[in-house]
Amino acid sequence: EVQLVESGGGLVQPGGSLRLSCAASGFTVSSNYMSWVRQAPGKGLEWVSVIYSGGSTYYADSVKGRFTISRDNSKNTLYLQMNSLRAEDTAVYYCARSGVIVGAMGAFDIWGQGTMVTVSS
Amino acid sequence: AIRMTQSPSSFSASTGDRVTITCRASQGISSYLAWYQQKPGKAPKLLIYAASTLQSGVPSRFSGSGSGTDFTLTISCLQSEDFATYYCQQYYSYPPFFGGGTKVEIK
Repeated sequence: EVQLVESGGGLVQPGGSLRLSCAASGFTVSSNYMSWVRQAPGKGLEWVSVIYSGGSTYYADSVKGRFTISRDNSKNTLYLQMNSLRAEDTAVYYCARSGVIVGAMGAFDIWGQGTMVTVSS
Repeated sequence: AIRMTQSPSSFSASTGDRVTITCRASQGISSYLAWYQQKPGKAPKLLIYAASTLQSGVPSRFSGSGSGTDFTLTISCLQSEDFATYYCQQYYSYPPFFGGGTKVEIK
């Protein structure tokens, strides 16, 4: 079965760090464009970052310089390292796979269930 | 950056209704547009990509149309399981912005 399972969310103080994981099954992370998308409580969806199959990475301006996307091919897992966290980073974080690659990245055809990150003192 | 504007932000409808949601891009995006459905506490689900291509497994009562800057999602005969929030997203360029969402509620 093709699926994504996130983990690593939790409560962290402002200025702190957290690393999210997204374990894939049924397909190979390194052969696909993989993204993180977040959703603040009661709000809409916001794309955060992408890693291409070739390894190139891109970030939303709101997280550039603070977040780092990466993957471990041996574990078939995607990561998001989040540093210098702020209250406005509080959200459910989803990992997602791009389907057919057209345009910038293609539509997201597979999503994880999400992991909650709360930044608060 | 290419921004996406959805309308309406919410509305009420009855089962069996035909409903249409509109999405407008701030610049032309060809057909690089997707529609997602999200239910409370759940991850979004891809319904349509390339503006009008139905994702595998999605019921045929869902359809999409448009190109350039103006797009629509139509549900031909609303079912109880369709009450949810719908988002459009452009993937023409970075950042791939989503629309603000349209919540479809039961009348």
